[in-house]
Amino acid sequence: GAGVSQSPRYKVTKRGQDVALRCDPISGHVSLYWYRQALGQGPEFLTYFNYEAQQDKSGLPNDRFSAERPEGSISTLTIQRTEQRDSAMYRCASSLGRGANEQFFGPGTRLTVL
Amino acid sequence: LAKTTQPISMDSYEGQEVNITCSHNNIATNDYITWYQQFPSQGPRFIIQGYKTKVTNEVASLFIPADRKSSTLSLPRVSLSDTAVYYCLVGDLMDTGRRALTFGSGTRLQVQP
Repeated sequence: GAGVSQSPRYKVTKRGQDVALRCDPISGHVSLYWYRQALGQGPEFLTYFNYEAQQDKSGLPNDRFSAERPEGSISTLTIQRTEQRDSAMYRCASSLGRGANEQFFGPGTRLTVL
Repeated sequence: LAKTTQPISMDSYEGQEVNITCSHNNIATNDYITWYQQFPSQGPRFIIQGYKTKVTNEVASLFIPADRKSSTLSLPRVSLSDTAVYYCLVGDLMDTGRRALTFGSGTRLQVQP
């Protein structure tokens, strides 16, 4: 079956531009997570949803970052007025929900801000 | 969330058994121990999870002593394709609040021919 998909896989943008990163979770998965991963480091939590409700956004670095999951399926992570320090791999994961012990990760979106 | 400590890197040869130990001195009663594997250019992948004693699946074994302050991931007869970063994570699965995973820097396993 299809796994978690993310688009675009690569995004190059100029400083100051807005970007939107998309995540399509595994069908039927209740929980959806966004992480950011710097080179040589483990993924860093950003935010997560149960269905359409954003449960925790404590990992979002600042108010330029936002995420939504309006219909409880596809999610979009938006970064406004991008800065060079936003360059990283952005990963999405999904899981069945409460009590589920496994998160399935997507291939990630490599964001480069020039 | 309990902090974990694991070696930065390990080297092994094909066919050997590899044991990666993770310490988690502040593990809570409701916490489970989970290991993920990450290949270059891919997202992390769940390997194994346990609460106490020993858990075994088709990929690995997980040994957890009675005090649960550490755990050991055992990979039998590694091959070159086991070269990856291995993350040890500790957390409460039933916590209805923050359910996200907290990754450290992981252990980089390099398997040589």
